[in-house]
Amino acid sequence: QQQVKQSPQSLIVQKGGISIINCAYENTAFDYFPWYQQFPGKGPALLIAIRPDVSEKKEGRFTISFNKSAKQFSLHIMDSQPGDSATYFCAARPNDYKLSFGAGTTVTVRA
Amino acid sequence: SQTIHQWPATLVQPVGSPLSLECTVEGTSNPNLYWYRQAAGRGLQLLFYSVGIGQISSEVPQNLSASRPQDRQFILSSKKLLLSDSGFYLCAWSRGANYEQYFGPGTRLTVT
Repeated sequence: QQQVKQSPQSLIVQKGGISIINCAYENTAFDYFPWYQQFPGKGPALLIAIRPDVSEKKEGRFTISFNKSAKQFSLHIMDSQPGDSATYFCAARPNDYKLSFGAGTTVTVRA
Repeated sequence: SQTIHQWPATLVQPVGSPLSLECTVEGTSNPNLYWYRQAAGRGLQLLFYSVGIGQISSEVPQNLSASRPQDRQFILSSKKLLLSDSGFYLCAWSRGANYEQYFGPGTRLTVT
């Protein structure tokens, strides 16, 4: 039973465009929502994270939007670059160690 | 700064053979340590969790076991590998239960 549902499975965007990845959850005990970026053959790297007391967090070209009432959060990659081509995972956890991961979204940025 | 190492990077093993994957963390003490498995094109599944030496929690029943012989060393083992054990194995660490988790480079295991 997947506790975090991620979509789309893959997306293609032109260089300079916006990539949007969506995640939804059911467990209202979740209070920490990180995003990881993974390149082929490498381990996931923590990209950005948010807690439910804010609706948006921005770090450079990456923004998390959080909708607590809808139990949804999303990652926006602005001005997408070929170097952003990777698989992105959303995750969520309650106030303990158990991270639940989405299935991942493969982003391809075309030059 | 903290660094996490895993080895080997890749491994090809026959069915029925034993397995030992190692993970070490540098630059911190008493970290929480985790073993995850990532199947092709899928998310990460937590296998084991450790809060200290000799303290291991298993998250899913399986053919694998974990041990923590030293504060910053975490080992994933199997006595007899199955084909279904193939995958990308990732070790991670965190300062505590509700802190950020940081992943190592991973080990690609192929069981033939």
